[in-house]
Amino acid sequence: DAKTTQPNSMESNEEEPVHLPCNHSTISGTDYIHWYRQLPSQGPEYVIHGLTSNVNNRMASLAIAEDRKSSTLILHRATLRDAAVYYCILRDAAGGTSYGKLTFGQGTILTVHP
Amino acid sequence: DGGITQSPKYLFRKEGQNVTLSCEQNLNHDAMYWYRQDPGQGLRLIYYSQIVNDFQKGDIAEGYSVSREKKESFPLTVTSAQKNPTAFYLCASSIELSDYYEQYFGPGTRLTVT
Repeated sequence: DAKTTQPNSMESNEEEPVHLPCNHSTISGTDYIHWYRQLPSQGPEYVIHGLTSNVNNRMASLAIAEDRKSSTLILHRATLRDAAVYYCILRDAAGGTSYGKLTFGQGTILTVHP
Repeated sequence: DGGITQSPKYLFRKEGQNVTLSCEQNLNHDAMYWYRQDPGQGLRLIYYSQIVNDFQKGDIAEGYSVSREKKESFPLTVTSAQKNPTAFYLCASSIELSDYYEQYFGPGTRLTVT
């Protein structure tokens, strides 16, 4: 599986935008970029995913570099509820034995200050 | 409401005992997964099942066993052979959407073995 690199931690103030970076220099052409987040003592939840184009949904935006070697998760206005560990994950859409498997790294701990 | 239930939330066992963690889903998902999370770490895949009566080892299957007799249920047994069983255990299921798999996670079971 291709590997991702994320900062260990980031901080933000409430109501401000947050840009969470992810490097994935060995990404392959069939790898989708997924973001999940995990609130304290809970299971992770899906945030967003993309392949080549930038994506928006109600939770966040995903900006993907043109060469696909990096991506950025954007939270437009951070709230205290956004304090969580954010995981950037690559999943090979070619399927086969990987099927729906996700490989979680250590993620980025996001702290939001009131 | 549809979702994944894991019980119990907290489980305490003595060393040398086998223990079974429950995972039930009513989302009608074919695929189910078990992950283990240690403090400050990401999730690691133990076992996964793409369909009833079929399952595959993940990255850290040693000392664990699973069964998948029903679509809704994917119990995990932590055997006495697992050297470090104390951890947070997360069950997930996934659905194949048009171009990706979204994993839904349960609330987790925190297992303490002394």
